[in-house]
Amino acid sequence: KAGVTQTPRYLIKTRGQQVTLSCSPISGHRSVSWYQQTPGQGLQFLFEYFSETQRNKGNFPGRFSGRQFSNSRSEMNVSTLELGDSALYLCASSENAGGEKLFFGSGTQLSVL
Amino acid sequence: GENVEQHPSTLSVQEGDSAVIKCTYSDSASNYFPWYKQELGKRPQLIIDIRSNVGEKKDQRIAVTLNKTAKHFSLHITETQPEDSAVYFCAAPYPPGAGSYQLTFGKGTKLSVIP
Repeated sequence: KAGVTQTPRYLIKTRGQQVTLSCSPISGHRSVSWYQQTPGQGLQFLFEYFSETQRNKGNFPGRFSGRQFSNSRSEMNVSTLELGDSALYLCASSENAGGEKLFFGSGTQLSVL
Repeated sequence: GENVEQHPSTLSVQEGDSAVIKCTYSDSASNYFPWYKQELGKRPQLIIDIRSNVGEKKDQRIAVTLNKTAKHFSLHITETQPEDSAVYFCAAPYPPGAGSYQLTFGKGTKLSVIP
C-alpha cells in the first residue's frame, strides 16, 4: 500500500504570495488532517477533512484554508504569506474521522522570504 | 482547549538502559492517548496508543501507562538501542470524549541513546 504523499517537498515563497500544498492519503482513508510543525511550537493542528467536509479547525487565521476532493485527496492553501508561516506542513490520513492512528506524509517544507 | 505538557524535553540514556517520558493533560474526559516517534528528517510515526479504559499497554520493548486520576500518561522504552534515538511526541484529543476530534501534541522529547 502506498503511503501518504505530499507535494511539493520544498517551497520557497516571498511575503504576500500564496501557496497551495497537496496531499494524497493512503488508499481507502477518508480523513485527512493538516499540521504545522515548527521548532518552537511543535505540531499544531490546522484542520481535518472527512468525506469532503471540514470536521475540525485549529486556531489559525483565515489565511489558512483547505479542501478535500471526492477521491479524498486534499489541498491546503495559505494566502498573503508571512515570514512566520515558514514551517514544515504535514498531512496525515486515517480510516475514520478524528485523530486516531494517523499516518503522516513526509511534509512540505515552506520557506517564506 | 486541551493542554498537554511533556517532560523532559531532552533525555540521554546509555544503550541498554530504560527511558521514560511523561505527559500530563488537562481535561479528565480525554480518552485516547497516542505516542509518535519522529526520526531526524522523517515523518512522525505512531508507535503505540492507549484508551482510557486500559491502564497499561505493551508492545515488545515499548509500553504506555495511564493514570487517569493524576491525568498523566507515560512512555516506557526498555533495553534502549541507538535506533530508538528520535523525538517522541505524546498527544491527547480535543474536544475530549467527542466522536471526532483533533489531537493536541506535546512539545516533544528528544531521546539520545548513547552506544
